[in-house]
Amino acid sequence: DIQLTQSPSFLSASVGDRITITCRASQGIRSYLAWYQQKSGKAPKVLIYGASTLQSGVPSRFSGRGSGTEFTLTISSLQPEDFATYYCQQLNIYPLTFGGGTKVEIK
Amino acid sequence: EVQLVESGGGLVQPGGSLRLSCVASGFTFSSYAMHWVRQAPGKGLEYVSTISSNGDSTYYANSVKGRFTISRDSSKNTLYLQMGSLRTEDMAVYYCAREKEYSASGTYFDYWGQGILVTVSS
Repeated sequence: DIQLTQSPSFLSASVGDRITITCRASQGIRSYLAWYQQKSGKAPKVLIYGASTLQSGVPSRFSGRGSGTEFTLTISSLQPEDFATYYCQQLNIYPLTFGGGTKVEIK
Repeated sequence: EVQLVESGGGLVQPGGSLRLSCVASGFTFSSYAMHWVRQAPGKGLEYVSTISSNGDSTYYANSVKGRFTISRDSSKNTLYLQMGSLRTEDMAVYYCAREKEYSASGTYFDYWGQGILVTVSS
């Protein structure tokens, strides 16, 4: 199975900060990576697919980069509604897998 | 409006069985592959299973292979997950999700249900 390692697992930041979350795959997954945001008690919501394509309706402060084994999710200016947990997911090969998550909390 | 509504969760003893359902509406169910994802209390997301749009292909996480069976009934717009030989580590909120294709081989999960809790305990 492909392992996805997210870092950091926890991030404390302030409103307005620029933050970057990294997702590393144990083998190449081309650009078949998605990023999801999950708020407490809610279902995940897709932010980015194909490593860098912004889902319709998602604010442009979110961006994704990468291919192969290293990927990043960046929030250019953190807003109060962005405090949540973020997951990467590889869709290159079955079984599909998720990263362990990055919890973004208010400093 | 796309909606996915799970049901069938509850309390089951270790070794028992349970069948989850996910009723889809607002889209042509038979045109989309569907998935199950779970989340144990306080833990991250874990992929469980996939079924292709026509039901011909299925995939499973190693942790549930041989114990869980995914299926679908397009006449009822319903996705199922038959869970057997349940273990305490299967206790989780189970989500169904729709797969969206954006290229010949590129996909992602664009809609998710609200989730249903499965508790495995004696």
